[in-house]
Amino acid sequence: KAGVTQTPRYLIKTRGQQVTLSCSPISGHRSVSWYQQTPGQGLQFLFEYFSETQRNKGNFPGRFSGRQFSNSRSEMNVSTLELGDSALYLCAIYDRVDGYTFGSGTRLTVV
Amino acid sequence: AQSVTQLDSQVPVFEEAPVELRCNYSSSVSVYLFWYVQYPNQGLQLLLKYLSGSTLVKGINGFEAEFNKSQTSFHLRKPSVHISDTAEYFCAVSDRAGNQFYFGTGTSLTVIP
Repeated sequence: KAGVTQTPRYLIKTRGQQVTLSCSPISGHRSVSWYQQTPGQGLQFLFEYFSETQRNKGNFPGRFSGRQFSNSRSEMNVSTLELGDSALYLCAIYDRVDGYTFGSGTRLTVV
Repeated sequence: AQSVTQLDSQVPVFEEAPVELRCNYSSSVSVYLFWYVQYPNQGLQLLLKYLSGSTLVKGINGFEAEFNKSQTSFHLRKPSVHISDTAEYFCAVSDRAGNQFYFGTGTSLTVIP
């Protein structure tokens, strides 16, 4: 069964810093999506990458960026961190029939 | 476009009692429907899905859901809950081409001993 590995599981950063999160989908999956989950806003779509190209983008400021490598691994970067960026960041692969398969997420805390 | 409404944000229920988590959707096209479960500090895990065929869908952990096209609903049920069912549950809808996918806001199920 397909899987997604996210690292690290937990992060604590200071306001103003930048952070990079990593996502490795199981081999062969070319599509990777990122979601932000907070208690107040629920699940919010950040962006989707397909074969190293950003295919869709949610309504987030330019401080949030991502990229995908040729081996399908993806990174998400947040610059100039704000307290409100504290959230669980989820990476997922998508299949039209099976829907999303999520990683365990990275819990980012900004202090 | 599609949308999903989960009518209850929190549902407390006693252990071994039945539970129903409600989900309504709107769409102008045929859809696929999903239920996901999320345990604390974990990602979402697929519970069950409706693609076509029988309107009663059985999933993991004893959960089932019924697709009702006339009422545009996809309610999740379990006849007897366990403490370990305490989690957040998300309903989701996608168009059949897979171009759009929408999550509901989630229902927090708390099972009381």
